[in-house]
Amino acid sequence: DVKVTQSSRYLVKRTGEKVFLECVQDMDHENMFWYRQDPGLGLRLIYFSYDVKMKEKGDIPEGYSVSREKKERFSLILESASTNQTSMYLCAVDRAPRSYGYTFGSGTRLTVV
Amino acid sequence: KNEVEQSPQNLTAQEGEFITINCSYSVGISALHWLQQHPGGGIVSLFMLSSGKKKHGRLIATINIQEKHSSLHITASHPRDSAVYICAVITPGGSQGNLIFGKGTKLSVKP
Repeated sequence: DVKVTQSSRYLVKRTGEKVFLECVQDMDHENMFWYRQDPGLGLRLIYFSYDVKMKEKGDIPEGYSVSREKKERFSLILESASTNQTSMYLCAVDRAPRSYGYTFGSGTRLTVV
Repeated sequence: KNEVEQSPQNLTAQEGEFITINCSYSVGISALHWLQQHPGGGIVSLFMLSSGKKKHGRLIATINIQEKHSSLHITASHPRDSAVYICAVITPGGSQGNLIFGKGTKLSVKP
């Protein structure tokens, strides 16, 4: 099974900083996703990528961008962090076609002060 | 209206109790996930269902496609089962491989 690693469990950044959140898989699955999770709102899709250099906006892309230069790495970028981006960020990999289902990373809890 | 609704939102149980968490959805799906999230954040996939019933240890998941409803049951609950349980559906077509999530059910099992 694929292993999905998010580089930081906890991160504190200042307002206005550029923030990079990294997600790395140890296989070559095509579809990767970034979600944010907030109390009362559940998980919401920010961006996803279906191959190298291919990306699509999810439900809440404003204030975020992504980068997928290599198949195994999908980065979420906060161009200018704001306090309303304080959240839990989760990366997921679609295991198709090898198997059916998703594997999630352990999450990054980002606080913007 | 949310496309995936879970109930209850919060659930407190005594150790040993039988627990049921419900998930209803209003969209066509190709499959449904039950996910578990412990404090600290990481999400683990418990089950993927497209029909019928699956069992893993003390956990049982059922789905009724006609009624657009799924349930997660925990038998002989234990404090280590305390977590947030999230239902997520996979919709055919649409955004490639996207999941639609319920808001989760926070379960607390007291010793």
